Amino acid sequence: GESVGLHLPTLSVQEGDNSIINCAYSNSASDYFIWYKQESGKGPQFIIDIRSNMDKRQGQRVTVLLNKTVKHLSLQIAATQPGDSAVYFCAETGGGADGLTFGKGTHLIIQP
Amino acid sequence: DAGITQSPRHKVTETGTPVTLRCHQTENHRYMYWYRQDPGHGLRLIHYSYGVKDTDKGEVSDGYSVSRSKTEDFLLTLESATSSQTSVYFCAISETTGINEKLFFGSGTQLSVL
Repeated sequence: GESVGLHLPTLSVQEGDNSIINCAYSNSASDYFIWYKQESGKGPQFIIDIRSNMDKRQGQRVTVLLNKTVKHLSLQIAATQPGDSAVYFCAETGGGADGLTFGKGTHLIIQP
Repeated sequence: DAGITQSPRHKVTETGTPVTLRCHQTENHRYMYWYRQDPGHGLRLIHYSYGVKDTDKGEVSDGYSVSRSKTEDFLLTLESATSSQTSVYFCAISETTGINEKLFFGSGTQLSVL
């Protein structure tokens, strides 16, 4: 989920297991959501997006679920690999002038 | 990183000096953005551009100015750097014409103001 203060929440999973990273948003007018992956020393990398007229979207080894009722977004990563170790954060927008609002991220750690 | 080059990658400067960061894209995208990333705050928008010579302020624009004289280049200037501007700066471009949708980011510039 979202971080509090300076420390990112951490999710530690075994290699080969599935990972679920959560994101709560507060703007009920948000209609577009994105998940990004950021490896150490690199820029954020687009993973997958979803619009509010959908509740699920699948990519390669990743699935995003959207629950508009409780304003919750999740990213599922299947068969987690060492290369999946990174900070993952969500972003959302209602299309207004404020643009994308970014979450602070979750640090995914893969254990061998 | 989606045809986006940021320069320099690292810079150390002193308080009160001017600093210019450069973003160059090869994708011919209309929209370009400057963000800063700080622990506990996530990514925050500084300025953005929706075309040559068309720019607007973001959430944290105080102390920063931008210029876009060509489609491919977007410059961020700190007129008089302060220690609070120590941060990692990311340039981003939009794949679509919708503002702020599906941003693609550069590799970042680590700026330290001493």
